Amino acid sequence: DAGVIQSPRHEVTEMGQEVTLRCKPISGHNSLFWYRQTMMRGLELLIYFNNNVPIDDSGMPEDRFSAKMPNASFSTLKIQPSEPRDSAVYFCASSSNDLIYNEQFFGPGTRLTVL
Amino acid sequence: DAKTTQPPSMDCAEGRAANLPCNHSTISGNEYVYWYRQIHSQGPQYIIHGLKNNETNEMASLIITEDRKSSTLILPHATLRDTAVYYCIVRAQGGSEKLVFGKGMKLTVNP
Repeated sequence: DAGVIQSPRHEVTEMGQEVTLRCKPISGHNSLFWYRQTMMRGLELLIYFNNNVPIDDSGMPEDRFSAKMPNASFSTLKIQPSEPRDSAVYFCASSSNDLIYNEQFFGPGTRLTVL
Repeated sequence: DAKTTQPPSMDCAEGRAANLPCNHSTISGNEYVYWYRQIHSQGPQYIIHGLKNNETNEMASLIITEDRKSSTLILPHATLRDTAVYYCIVRAQGGSEKLVFGKGMKLTVNP
């Protein structure tokens, strides 16, 4: 299994630029989660989708952040415009409602640095 | 907010059992106890979960007290590769139920 795939693995950009993070969940999984991790705030959930529909976006910090899931095999998290305080590691995870254990499988993360 | 309390850190000697405690005194009847760990620079990894019975898998054992207000994750023979931050999480069952991560506990396995 390829696992959850995230790209890019590292992103360095300048303040004000648009940033797009990408995620391919495990095939057959119908829930997808975006998390952000910083030293100050730890690991926090930004948004999650079930069957491509956003269920809870209460963790999205502000309107600069947006997430889409156009189909079951792809999701994006966009930041526009980016700010230095957005620097963090962004993780994508997926799970299956059909799995007995409902465990979430995490990707390797995207390390974002906004200068 | 996380519904669990863990000590910030713990050390363990390689080859010995590591017993990781977690308090969840406000756990609801339909909530499970989940354990994840995060090895440095990697995404979190599922370890085990349970409702009220003790559970064991190839990675660890989970002991839940009868009143379900606390639990212990046991790594029977800790190795250096078990050094990680361990998260104890309570949540209702369901693939779309979100995980709320607290600060976790840093386990350091020493040679």
